[in-house]
Amino acid sequence: DIVMTQTPLSLSVTPGQPASISCKSSQSLLDTDGRTYLYWYLQKPGQSPQLLIYEVYNRFSGVPDRFSGSGSGTDFTLKISRVEAEDVGFYYCVQSIEHPKTFGQGTKVEIK
Amino acid sequence: EVQLVESGGGLVQPGGSLRLSCAASGLAFGDNWMTWVRQAPGKGLEWVGNIKQDGSDKYYAGSVKGRFTISRDNAKNTVYLQMNSLTGEDTAVYYCARDYRYFDVWGRGTLVTVSS
Repeated sequence: DIVMTQTPLSLSVTPGQPASISCKSSQSLLDTDGRTYLYWYLQKPGQSPQLLIYEVYNRFSGVPDRFSGSGSGTDFTLKISRVEAEDVGFYYCVQSIEHPKTFGQGTKVEIK
Repeated sequence: EVQLVESGGGLVQPGGSLRLSCAASGLAFGDNWMTWVRQAPGKGLEWVGNIKQDGSDKYYAGSVKGRFTISRDNAKNTVYLQMNSLTGEDTAVYYCARDYRYFDVWGRGTLVTVSS
């Protein structure tokens, strides 16, 4: 199985400041079709997860542009340019290049 | 409105069985893979398994393989998760989601508690 490793596991951010989460996969997520199957989700307190970013850098519908994704191969990053209070929760990366699909451990983001 | 609603959770004894349902509305259910994801109390998300549009392909996480079975009834717009030989480690909120490789629509989840 592909292992997804997120760092840090916890982040405390002052509103308006940037935040960055790293996700590393144990093998490349670049498929033979040229697409990279890495996704980012946010689970706000008491809610179901919601899709933020698909295929590394594509913002899902309705996701604010302060969220951005980057990376390639096995190393990926989610950045929040200016953290807002509504961004608190757990962030997860997940790979879908092969089964079983696997999530990272999650990164807790809280506001200082 | 696109909606997924899970049901069937509850308290079950170790070694017991339970069947969860996920009813879809507002989407072309038969056109989509469907996935189950679970979250143990205070823990992260764990992918459980998925099923192809016509039910001909299914995949499972190693932790549930051989014990859990996913099925679907496209006429009822419903996907199922049959869980057998349950242990305390299966205690979790179980979510269903539409699976486009990414999971863009999620239900609110149903809680399964395995305890004597």
